[in-house]
Amino acid sequence: DVKVTQSSRYLVKRTGEKVFLECVQDMDHENMFWYRQDPGLGLRLIYFSYDVKMKEKGDIPEGYSVSREKKERFSLILESASTNQTSMYLCASSLFASGSSPGTGELFFGEGSRLTVL
Amino acid sequence: AQSVSQHNHHVILSEAASLELGCNYSYGGTVNLFWYVQYPGQHLQLLLKYFSGDPLVKGIKGFEAEFIKSKFSFNLRKPSVQWSDTAEYFCAVKSHSSASKIIFGSGTRLSIRP
Repeated sequence: DVKVTQSSRYLVKRTGEKVFLECVQDMDHENMFWYRQDPGLGLRLIYFSYDVKMKEKGDIPEGYSVSREKKERFSLILESASTNQTSMYLCASSLFASGSSPGTGELFFGEGSRLTVL
Repeated sequence: AQSVSQHNHHVILSEAASLELGCNYSYGGTVNLFWYVQYPGQHLQLLLKYFSGDPLVKGIKGFEAEFIKSKFSFNLRKPSVQWSDTAEYFCAVKSHSSASKIIFGSGTRLSIRP
């Protein structure tokens, strides 16, 4: 089974702190994603990466950055946490899917990291 | 811009009732369509997916979904729900022109009365 592991299930941070959320997948997937999940808003894509050191902005990248130094690891960074970043953060991975070869596109999710910013 | 709409935010049903959850997307090109489910306290998992071929797709646990291209819809159905179907359901779309990006709807919370 594909396993996507998020390092912290629950975090409490103070406004202005730098926050690192780590995600590791063990299935050699090319694509990795960070979403945030908020009630009534569903999942919103923050950033995704389709290869090592490659990244693309999603729909809500402001206030976030990412790092992908190794294929299996994708980190989400909040440079200066704010209260409106209190949320559930979900990491996911998938196989590569090009436009001419769509592949499956199926996402495999981690358990989530619930971040509270005070 | 690509978007996914789930109009039912919270659905409450009794056991054995039939279920239909709506999903509409806005994208004119070729798409892949998904339904994901999140049971209480668990991570999101795939329920079913459509890529091509038969527009009626069967998934796990008796769920099915029908892709109607002319209506840009991919509604989820189950003829008889169980208490264990209590969960949040998310529709998602991936366009063929985007190698990776998958867009989710806002989700529908399903509560089943025993």
